[in-house]
Amino acid sequence: AQSVTQLGSHVSVSEGALVLLRCNYSSSVPPYLFWYVQYPNQGLQLLLKYTSAATLVKGINGFEAEFKKSETSFHLTKPSAHMSDAAEYFCAASSGSARQLTFGSGTQLTVLP
Amino acid sequence: ETGVTQSPTHLIKTRGQQVTLRCSSQSGHNTVSWYQQALGQGPQFIFQYYREEENGRGNFPPRFSGLQFPNYSSELNVNALELDDSALYLCASSLELPGVGTDTQYFGPGTRLTVL
Repeated sequence: AQSVTQLGSHVSVSEGALVLLRCNYSSSVPPYLFWYVQYPNQGLQLLLKYTSAATLVKGINGFEAEFKKSETSFHLTKPSAHMSDAAEYFCAASSGSARQLTFGSGTQLTVLP
Repeated sequence: ETGVTQSPTHLIKTRGQQVTLRCSSQSGHNTVSWYQQALGQGPQFIFQYYREEENGRGNFPPRFSGLQFPNYSSELNVNALELDDSALYLCASSLELPGVGTDTQYFGPGTRLTVL
């Protein structure tokens, strides 16, 4: 069974600082990987996805993530945090043609002024 | 392009009642997936519908059921509501390509269900 682990349920950064949100997956086959963002009382918005093309994936709002097979990781980064980045972030995985997304437990990002 | 929409936004029910949640998929999508997100947790897969048939199911009891209509919209039905069913229910639509699988899932705003 596939699992996704997000290290750190809460992360705080200062405005302008680097954002690093960690995600590790457990899969017997290279998965498809996704990062979604959820603002309060809203649904999930896709930030970026990895589907076995380039290992460095660029997404919306300046976010990017790097797929590292040797580390089974897909960490999300942004060089400079903005106040509007404060939200909950979810890493998710699906395997090939598998139909379900398996989500991590989420990381709440706080951006301090 | 119309995104994924869900109704109602909020719903309050009592234990033992039944509830129906609705979802309209994004234009051009043929597949709908449903997820349950309990407070403080990540979404959990309930099931997926493709061509009006259930096309994968997570670890949820049979009292969770669904339908997909010819226009690809979908309903989630929950019978005999329990307190633990209180959650945000998210619908996601995607395009299923035969022999390839399901592409990226795009989520609606969710329906907040409270069971008293």
